Amino acid sequence: EAQVTQNPRYLITVTGKKLTVTCSQNMNHEYMSWYRQDPGLGLRQIYYSMNVEVTDKGDVPEGYKVSRKEKRNFPLILESPSPNQTSLYFCASRGLGQGLEETQYFGPGTRLLVL
Amino acid sequence: DAKTTQPNSMESNEEEPVHLPCNHSTISGTDYIHWYRQLPSQGPEYVIHGLTSNVNNRMASLAIAEDRKSSTLILHRATLRDAAVYYCILRGLYNYGQNFVFGPGTRLSVLP
Repeated sequence: EAQVTQNPRYLITVTGKKLTVTCSQNMNHEYMSWYRQDPGLGLRQIYYSMNVEVTDKGDVPEGYKVSRKEKRNFPLILESPSPNQTSLYFCASRGLGQGLEETQYFGPGTRLLVL
Repeated sequence: DAKTTQPNSMESNEEEPVHLPCNHSTISGTDYIHWYRQLPSQGPEYVIHGLTSNVNNRMASLAIAEDRKSSTLILHRATLRDAAVYYCILRGLYNYGQNFVFGPGTRLSVLP
């Protein structure tokens, strides 16, 4: 079954304590990305990667890091979380074609609360 | 990608058809029309896409106007599970490196 998995699903942490949210896909997709979703602001892209070792900033990258050492994994790192990073996070992956080839698959989401 | 305009919200009764409109007056000839939906507390999921002709799949139908300046997502018999935010997104040819832009979408409520 085609899927994107994220862990953890829920996380409560304190300001400044480094955390990593993992993301993995089983579809051999080149393109992976991270979004955050906040009420009234919709889905905003944080970082994306078009292939292994190729990453770039999205619309709201401040305070986040990513890495793409393997094609299937794309972890999101918050080195010093702050309360304004409290949000719902989604990982997504897709191919690099047109039409059905670029159908985007989303993970189930990670709800993060930073105290 | 060209801009799309959707109503903020719509309401439907269970087991009735639902027509969700999307205007995209600046669409170019090579833009695909994609629809995604986001159920409560879940990530968005693909619904359907098309280029010029009407399309059907197990989830919905997509009706595309002849001039392509608008399209309609059709849910043939709405169920309570179809209550979600529906996003209409245009994807241009060779835009595969660019991000999908999710606007506010249409929030569909389904009444029992």
